[in-house]
Amino acid sequence: GIQVEQSPPDLILQEGANSTLRCNFSDSVNNLQWFHQNPWGQLINLFYIPSGTKQNGRLSATTVATERYSLLYISSSQTTDSGVYFCAVLEYGNKLVFGAGTILRVKS
Amino acid sequence: DTEVTQTPKHLVMGMTNKKSLKCEQHMGHRAMYWYKQKAKKPPELMFVYSYEKLSINESVPSRFSPECPNSSLLNLHLHALQPEDSALYLCASSQESDLETQYFGPGTRLLVL
Repeated sequence: GIQVEQSPPDLILQEGANSTLRCNFSDSVNNLQWFHQNPWGQLINLFYIPSGTKQNGRLSATTVATERYSLLYISSSQTTDSGVYFCAVLEYGNKLVFGAGTILRVKS
Repeated sequence: DTEVTQTPKHLVMGMTNKKSLKCEQHMGHRAMYWYKQKAKKPPELMFVYSYEKLSINESVPSRFSPECPNSSLLNLHLHALQPEDSALYLCASSQESDLETQYFGPGTRLLVL
């Protein structure tokens, strides 16, 4: 099956700093999503981005499908950005395969 | 409205109990999913329903029994669970096309004693 690798596994930022999270995948995909899981467990959709670039406020994402990677940029980080960031790709039949996640802690 | 609701939020059950988890969406989505997430791990797919029919079962033990009574509802019936089944159970829904976003509910935290 498809492999999804995320880096870094852990990240600690001072409030206001910028960061880049990376997602590598082992096969071509036509569905890639980024999620933020808050401390209460809720998975929040950030981007549906199988290719190209999207921006939403302080967050933006870029997927280079031909090179099999996606990047999530967080600018001017806030303590509310803390949590786990997951990249997920569709394998078959609507099956989402998640990476192991990046644990982000933003300190005030 | 992109809301998926799940009840209950928390559940504690013994190994001999029978309980059910419920999930509901009113977005007109025709695909619904159950995922299981253990602590410090990513979610893992359990079941997929497409147009109210079970389309994927990821070799889940029979003590977990899914049910899709209609296009808006998804249940997960639990019986004779083991302590290692304690986890966060997440429901999701999407349009049928694989080019669509999956939307997740807040989850049910299950503890099996």
